[in-house]
Amino acid sequence: DSGVTQTPKHLITATGQRVTLRCSPRSGDLSVYWYQQSLDQGLQFLIQYYNGEERAKGNILERFSAQQFPDLHSELNLSSLELGDSALYFCASSAGTEPNEQFFGPGTRLTVL
Amino acid sequence: ILNVEQSPQSLHVQEGDSTNFTCSFPSSNFYALHWYRWETAKSPEALFVMTLNGDEKKKGRISATLNTKEGYSYLYIKGSQPEDSATYLCAFISGTYKYIFGTGTRLKVLA
Repeated sequence: DSGVTQTPKHLITATGQRVTLRCSPRSGDLSVYWYQQSLDQGLQFLIQYYNGEERAKGNILERFSAQQFPDLHSELNLSSLELGDSALYFCASSAGTEPNEQFFGPGTRLTVL
Repeated sequence: ILNVEQSPQSLHVQEGDSTNFTCSFPSSNFYALHWYRWETAKSPEALFVMTLNGDEKKKGRISATLNTKEGYSYLYIKGSQPEDSATYLCAFISGTYKYIFGTGTRLKVLA
């Protein structure tokens, strides 16, 4: 158990819908990272927040957005969902910014029908 | 386009064998390299964070080296055990905070 929690574990929704994935980092960690693992793409970095501020941005679609709240939990919002958004979404946390060790949560499996 | 390659793609070894695999990354604009161990149906688990050219890190029977000038890192496992079976993933982080993952090396250790 890494100490990072993600909810929900599984999410099934329809195309065009909007969902929110939630991540609670390890106690004391200030950075949160979001990753997407889809079948054909491997692991892709989406975005990083550090102490409430966006720190780095990867291949995050405009339909996706994230934020980190004052209590340091983070949410990833996915809107206008498409079939291709079906993936495993991981959150990770680290004590600070790079180059810190990252601890991954168990992931949220999103299925878009 | 930044590209990170890992080789081999997959590997079967006998219990007790030592093995190694490679992560190749761009030799310019290096910031850090992460190695992860990823078991099926679990989450990636951090092994090493490497930052300096010539870095060598060790954790038990697993060690890693880094050559930023030529753009590669090696991961070594000494005396492989069945519980070492997993995918070993590297992630290159550039100076502009681009995170690029390799596709991993799938290791199977046969008892």
